[in-house]
Amino acid sequence: DTGVSQDPRHKITKRGQNVTFRCDPISEHNRLYWYRQTLGQGPEFLTYFQNEAQLEKSRLLSDRFSAERPKGSFSTLEIQRTEQGDSAMYLCATIPRAGRETQYFGPGTRLLVL
Amino acid sequence: GESVGLHLPTLSVQEGDNSIINCAYSNSASDYFIWYKQESGKGPQFIIDIRSNMDKRQGQRVTVLLNKTVKHLSLQIAATQPGDSAVYFCAEKADTGRRALTFGSGTRLQVQP
Repeated sequence: DTGVSQDPRHKITKRGQNVTFRCDPISEHNRLYWYRQTLGQGPEFLTYFQNEAQLEKSRLLSDRFSAERPKGSFSTLEIQRTEQGDSAMYLCATIPRAGRETQYFGPGTRLLVL
Repeated sequence: GESVGLHLPTLSVQEGDNSIINCAYSNSASDYFIWYKQESGKGPQFIIDIRSNMDKRQGQRVTVLLNKTVKHLSLQIAATQPGDSAVYFCAEKADTGRRALTFGSGTRLQVQP
């Protein structure tokens, strides 16, 4: 257990519905990442926060996806109008303060869009 | 739980043997490399990392070797145990300002008792 928690662990939704996932980082980890992982593949970068600022977004992050990190603590990832292709594991990872590079991952949220 | 990596390359070893998992990377600008272990239904778990100014780093039962000339990374696990069975991913980060990791496709390690 890395100390990074994600909620929910599993989500089943119907196509067209909106879903929101939450990540609670290790205390004082100021850098936070979201990744998406499909079966048989490594995680793919979605977006990155340093404190509350969203500093980088992947082209994978379509306009149906939005992420926030109010107050620089927990983060949420919302997917609007879900599509079957959104079915994946959504992973959150965090890094301690400056000088470190190791990303510590949470357990992920498994999304299934029917 | 649901399997991670249903069609990944698989390395099968006997318990007690040493395992070597290989990874090729493509970005010559990468300056940081990391190995993760991922068990079914769980997030990736950090194993060991190495910076590009090193060619070898050892941890507990694990060693990472970096060959920048051929852009190759390997993970050696000594005295492999059944609990080492998982999917292993290498990842790299380029020193270009981009802060995200780029992951390889993974290798499934199966340890036979």
